[in-house]
Amino acid sequence: GENVEQHPSTLSVQEGDSAVIKCTYSDSASNYFPWYKQELGKGPQLIIDIRSNVGEKKDQRIAVTLNKTAKHFSLHITETQPEDSAVYFCAADYGQNFVFGPGTRLSVLP
Amino acid sequence: GAVVSQHPSRVICKSGTSVKIECRSLDFQATTMFWYRQFPKQSLMLMATSNEGSKATYEQGVEKDKFLINHASLTLSTLTVTSAHPEDSSFYICSVRAGKLFFGSGTQLSVL
Repeated sequence: GENVEQHPSTLSVQEGDSAVIKCTYSDSASNYFPWYKQELGKGPQLIIDIRSNVGEKKDQRIAVTLNKTAKHFSLHITETQPEDSAVYFCAADYGQNFVFGPGTRLSVLP
Repeated sequence: GAVVSQHPSRVICKSGTSVKIECRSLDFQATTMFWYRQFPKQSLMLMATSNEGSKATYEQGVEKDKFLINHASLTLSTLTVTSAHPEDSSFYICSVRAGKLFFGSGTQLSVL
């Protein structure tokens, strides 16, 4: 069935360091992979996404890479800041609906 | 991206009462909206797909008589939790697919 795994579940980094979150998906039919940032008590916010015809996409301090053969994609945050602290969800688009990973709680320590 | 407005942001109610949550697509005509539920420290779980002018589609295990969905216009979908019980306490979030998936701000429901 459709499934998205995400690791790690929690991640603590020092301010200024990089953070990497990895996801794997089960169905090779998926061709769109968004990442969401969710702060406490708020709805998820789309921060970056990638389609299967692209291997990498970057937006300032945030980048996403996709390995379609291995069916995994990763979120990279460089020069982390305390405001990056939140829960991050990856997702895979299966056409009718999105399947979300279990989330990664990122803490950026000042 | 699409702007999705959700109200109320927080509601506390007594067990047995009904609660209505509104989701508005402010700048996109949405024939379909999605309702998710999120328990503390867990991921987003799709509850149902709201279809404008027709019946909603519910995910397996979601009681359609308990979670009433109405999508009467292209900009408004409502979720009514009927006869709410403490186990219904959760964070409910609506979303709109405007090419990409955009979420509302969520509603924290607490049933006493």
